Amino acid sequence: QKEVEQDPGPLSVPEGAIVSLNCTYSNSAFQYFMWYRQYSRKGPELLMYTYSSGNKEDGRFTAQVDKSSKYISLFIRDSQPSDSATYLCAMAYNNNDMRFGAGTRLTVKP
Amino acid sequence: DVKVTQSSRYLVKRTGEKVFLECVQDMDHENMFWYRQDPGLGLRLIYFSYDVKMKEKGDIPEGYSVSREKKERFSLILESASTNQTSMYLCASCPGHSYEQYFGPGTRLTVT
Repeated sequence: QKEVEQDPGPLSVPEGAIVSLNCTYSNSAFQYFMWYRQYSRKGPELLMYTYSSGNKEDGRFTAQVDKSSKYISLFIRDSQPSDSATYLCAMAYNNNDMRFGAGTRLTVKP
Repeated sequence: DVKVTQSSRYLVKRTGEKVFLECVQDMDHENMFWYRQDPGLGLRLIYFSYDVKMKEKGDIPEGYSVSREKKERFSLILESASTNQTSMYLCASCPGHSYEQYFGPGTRLTVT
């Protein structure tokens, strides 16, 4: 079993839809949870960062962590074509040992 | 803005060649990382460095070595390239006690 599981998609939604992206993990020691966005032919860029359980909101993006279920989510409201990218979840228990999901490819159609 | 640059965007090498991938960051970050990214496998850590001349193995160090002679520069070396090292290579850096890694644009290496 992989430490971090992420559905690779692809996921295609119409513009304006609410998008839900998810990851599950097996290591209960993870304390730091991140979402990266990677556009085609670019390196990943940090989108959201959460410590421990709870929700965090930043504009149209909301990150949720449920440590009891070992489950994290990223919600995108009012999705835009510019949100089309691959979204990677990542988690760590120290800053030198980060584990990444395989990424979910999202397409938002105008 | 943090900038992480990688020496090449695309590279084609022959089996058995020695390959150097260079990464430079301009924000005085202590930590630097080399990952490879393959479809369905996500990012896997090859090596990381938390200081000049310091290095630690990641999850898949076999067939690779690294060099960090200056704080801003972290090099990945493929001693004898093989076809199974065809991949996207990503460099990242972050401050000493941060989880926010800044990535370069990646080098797509093809070994034939």
